[in-house]
Order: sequence, then C-alpha cells, then structure tokens
Amino acid sequence: GAGVSQSPSNKVTEKGKDVELRCDPISGHTALYWYRQSLGQGLEFLIYFQGNSAPDKSGLPSDRFSAERTGGSVSTLTIQRTQQEDSAVYLCASSFPGGGETQYFGPGTRLLVL
Amino acid sequence: GQNIDQPTEMTATEGAIVQINCTYQTSGFNGLFWYQQHAGEAPTFLSYNVLDGLEEKGRFSSFLSRSKGYSYLLLKELQMKDSASYLCAVRDDGGATNKLIFGTGTLLAVQP
Repeated sequence: GAGVSQSPSNKVTEKGKDVELRCDPISGHTALYWYRQSLGQGLEFLIYFQGNSAPDKSGLPSDRFSAERTGGSVSTLTIQRTQQEDSAVYLCASSFPGGGETQYFGPGTRLLVL
Repeated sequence: GQNIDQPTEMTATEGAIVQINCTYQTSGFNGLFWYQQHAGEAPTFLSYNVLDGLEEKGRFSSFLSRSKGYSYLLLKELQMKDSASYLCAVRDDGGATNKLIFGTGTLLAVQP
C-alpha cells in the first residue's frame, strides 16, 4: 500500500480482556515503531523493530504489553488483561534507512477500555 | 531526563505568519522533526533539521539551534486548513534506536 495501515481503527473492550492491534508498514521499510497517544499527552514511544528484532523495548509500560513482527513486515501489539488506563490511540510508524530516517505514521487504533 | 517544551495553544489570523517554538533537553540528539496532526488523523511529516539553520519548504520553515536546544516552525500565509496540532520531536541518538521523543504538541487555531 501507499502508506502505513493499522487495524482495527477503533476497538472497545472490557477491562481484563486481551486485545491485538495490527500494523502494516510501508513496503520496504525495515524499521517499525509503536507509539501511544493518551488524551492531552504527547506521543509516547513503546517499542522499535529493525526487521523482526526489537532492539528497543524500553517504552513498554508493563509486562502486559508485548509486540512481535514477522517477515520483516506486519507487526502486532498485544495488550493482555487490559486496564482503563490503557485507553489511548496506538500509532504505528515505519521508516527506511537513509534519507533522514523520517518516520511515517499510520492512522492509529483508538482503544477504549470500559 | 528527556524534556521537550512547546506552547499548548496558539491562535492566529488567516493570511498572517505564526511561529511555534520548541525547546528541548534530551540525553542525545540526532535531528529534530516537526509533524502536523489534524484531529483524529495521523501525524504527517513537515520538516527535519539536523544542522543549525533554517530549512524552508513552501509556506513552512523550520529553524534549529543545537547550542540553545531550540527550534521553531514558521507558517506563512496562514490558511484555515492549517488549524491543527503541531508536534515537535527529537530523535534519540542511542545506538540501538531511532525513537522519537515528542512534546505535547501545540494546538493552532486559525481564525478568519
């Protein structure tokens, strides 16, 4: 596709349930990032993938959060036992080495935990 | 620590010029980015500075002073469609990551 795509666009879940968020990066982009944007907050870094490896997981807020990437392309962010404070917009970005490594963002998944 | 400051809100008039300032204190630095984000949409890339000075791109310009930890985004000939949040972000220069550290964004309202 032409840009980064994410699914679902919106997700409403009950506290304690698990959710999976998907990101399809721009074709050929080897780097992939997950960020979280809470109401009134700046974007918060969660995890960075280079290929299928995650050299930086420092932003994951707890062990309920995990992510994987397969085939150097699609990535899935999983949140287990969701809590109300997990409600936020989860944004994925991808970049290609060189050219200033500009990150291009997807439209995000709006997660609401009731 | 990592700290990026920018004004929370600004108001400007259609056709005018507005300057959005950003100051940063980060443990590392490998470039500064400006993104535009309309409500409910993805951030879109506007500009990138890694060396001191001014980068101009149409109606948008961005300036960087690394010694002062300071950048600004200049928008000329404002249009109503420029009403959006403007996000300042610093790229970490840690060897294992190119993560962006974002400010909270400046919400710009362009009035007729």
